[in-house]
Formats: sequence, C-alpha cells, structure tokens
Amino acid sequence: SSELTQDPSVSVALGQTVRITCQGDSVRRYYANWYQQKPGQAPLLLFYGRNNRDNRASGIPGRFSGFISGNTASLTITEAQAEDEADYYCNSRDSSGNHVVFGGGTRLTVL
Amino acid sequence: QVQLVESGGGVVQPGSSLRLSCVASGFTFSTYGMHWVRQAPGKGLEWVAVVWYDGTNKFYADSVKGRFTISRDDRSNTIYLQMNSLRADDTAFYYCARDKWNNLGDNWLDLWGQGTLVSVSS
Repeated sequence: SSELTQDPSVSVALGQTVRITCQGDSVRRYYANWYQQKPGQAPLLLFYGRNNRDNRASGIPGRFSGFISGNTASLTITEAQAEDEADYYCNSRDSSGNHVVFGGGTRLTVL
Repeated sequence: QVQLVESGGGVVQPGSSLRLSCVASGFTFSTYGMHWVRQAPGKGLEWVAVVWYDGTNKFYADSVKGRFTISRDDRSNTIYLQMNSLRADDTAFYYCARDKWNNLGDNWLDLWGQGTLVSVSS
C-alpha cells in the first residue's frame, strides 16, 4: 500500500510531551519526512530521510525529535509550546517509487 | 535570498486552462528537481507533479495525469504547471517545492514557496 496513516487530531497540555505517528508500508520500504504547517503558511520541513533521528532540518528546535521503526515514523515534541500548535504531515514515496505521497495530517492542539 | 515565488493563480471556470509559474532564486536551480503540491481549502497536502533536475523525467499524480503538464526553464530559473480541463476539485493553493536528496536515495522537500490560489468555479 502507498497510503500513510496519521491520526487526524492530537492534543497536549502545555509543557508536556506528545507523539505524532505516521504508519505505512512506504515508511518501512523507503523513509518518512515530517513537515509542520501553521495557518496561512507554507509547510516547513522538520525531519527527513530514513535516519530521522539524525536528520533534523536547519533551525528546528531540539524539543522536536524524529524516529522510524518498522512501518511507523514518530514525531515527538518534548515540553510542547503554544507555538507548536499546527498541522503535521508525513510524506514518503508510493509503491512505484516515482510518486510522492503525504499522510492525511495531524492537527496538534496545545491546551 | 533563497526562495520560491509562485504566481498565476486566479478564478477560472470549469473546463478552462491556467498556467502557474514558480521563480527560484538564491540557489543553483538547474541542480534540483522541483515539485508542485496542492492543498484544497481546509484539507491536507496532495502531491501533484515532479520534474527532475535535468528535465528528463516528469511524474504526475493520477488525479491530474493527462490534464496537467509540468515543465522547467533553467534560463529563467522557473518551473511551470500548465493546467487544462480544470475542475472544481482542482480548487486549491498550489505550492512549488524544491527536491533534496541524499546518497541513500531518500528525497524530501526542503524549500517551499508561499503558494498561489486557484479557484475553479462557474
């Protein structure tokens, strides 16, 4: 399957830790990238490649971390801040390897 | 300044055509593949098309294949999206994005434009 599955919404209390997941065969076969999108803005790259843990994009705060295990990619935010409230998308390749696929996105609410 | 700037969006009727442009600056455009990604209002991201760095390969989402054409002009650091036979469900913000890769064969979109809105309505 080329689908990437994300929970539609997740909430976290201010200052607490939250994990957002992305599941699919493409994660296992290829990799997963993570993007953050705030209202009215373009997506912003957070993590990339099969070695998510080591590939934080430039300028992304250290409270964000990425990890891939099997068919699941995880984005963890430690000590979540109000400004982390956003939509988060994962992406990878489809089964052909030539097309890009996105997960449905997860809306994070910081309470 | 490293950036991508889209233009060409607007309000059009179903069945009509529109051409979007994306001008790149601040980097060596000819060494990068480029994508179009769209987002319907209130919805998620949907990949549309990619053109390789050398223009030799182009791939399209099934939803636009046969109607949309991606192209690039390295002389002007510009990519285009020619959209024909537009439908109401093509209504979206259209973003161009730069493709980055590593020696493991991983790809990601590391630079995005601010988007241009296409609205298809009668």
